[in-house]
Amino acid sequence: KAGVTQTPRYLIKTRGQQVTLSCSPISGHRSVSWYQQTPGQGLQFLFEYFSETQRNKGNFPGRFSGRQFSNSRSEMNVSTLELGDSALYLCASSLVSESGNTIYFGEGSWLTVV
Amino acid sequence: AQSVTQLGSHVSVSEGALVLLRCNYSSSVPPYLFWYVQYPNQGLQLLLKYTTGATLVKGINGFEAEFKKSETSFHLTKPSAHMSDAAEYFCAVSLPNSGYALNFGKGTSLLVTP
Repeated sequence: KAGVTQTPRYLIKTRGQQVTLSCSPISGHRSVSWYQQTPGQGLQFLFEYFSETQRNKGNFPGRFSGRQFSNSRSEMNVSTLELGDSALYLCASSLVSESGNTIYFGEGSWLTVV
Repeated sequence: AQSVTQLGSHVSVSEGALVLLRCNYSSSVPPYLFWYVQYPNQGLQLLLKYTTGATLVKGINGFEAEFKKSETSFHLTKPSAHMSDAAEYFCAVSLPNSGYALNFGKGTSLLVTP
């Protein structure tokens, strides 16, 4: 069974640009959540989608957005990139949107903003 | 709001020694608690979780943790450290019926020396 797949794995962007990251959840999983990991702030929750609807949102500015498609694949977008957006972005999927359920993480997308 | 504090950003143990990684939480309601491990350049892997029921939880790779409500703690232990245990460990908390939004601690880097 394939795990959570994130693309691209590594990318470099320039300040002011925008970026789109993609996540394919484990087959059958309908909940997809996104996290940002930085050395300074650690792991922070961005948002969660279930059946194409955003269920939860973390404390991030509106430049960070996401969406989920009917096949449960998800994308997150960051517009007007800032240097501080450099981070590892982790996607996780779960069978259902219940907080006690096990969620499975992908290997992440490393974003460097220069 | 719930939060997690991991005591000790770096812990060093000798191979074969007891591993003890500390986690304390703050929550207004009984939370769900998790321990994740992250190896270099990889995503997060669930070690174990506590939702309800037995307070001593056994996980993968010989790890276990005990939920102590009176101490608001969920410390992770392993009787005998192995070199392959060297990694970053994260404690996380979520609230029941909150969808999927994990609050992570800052992490503890475990070093295992020969």
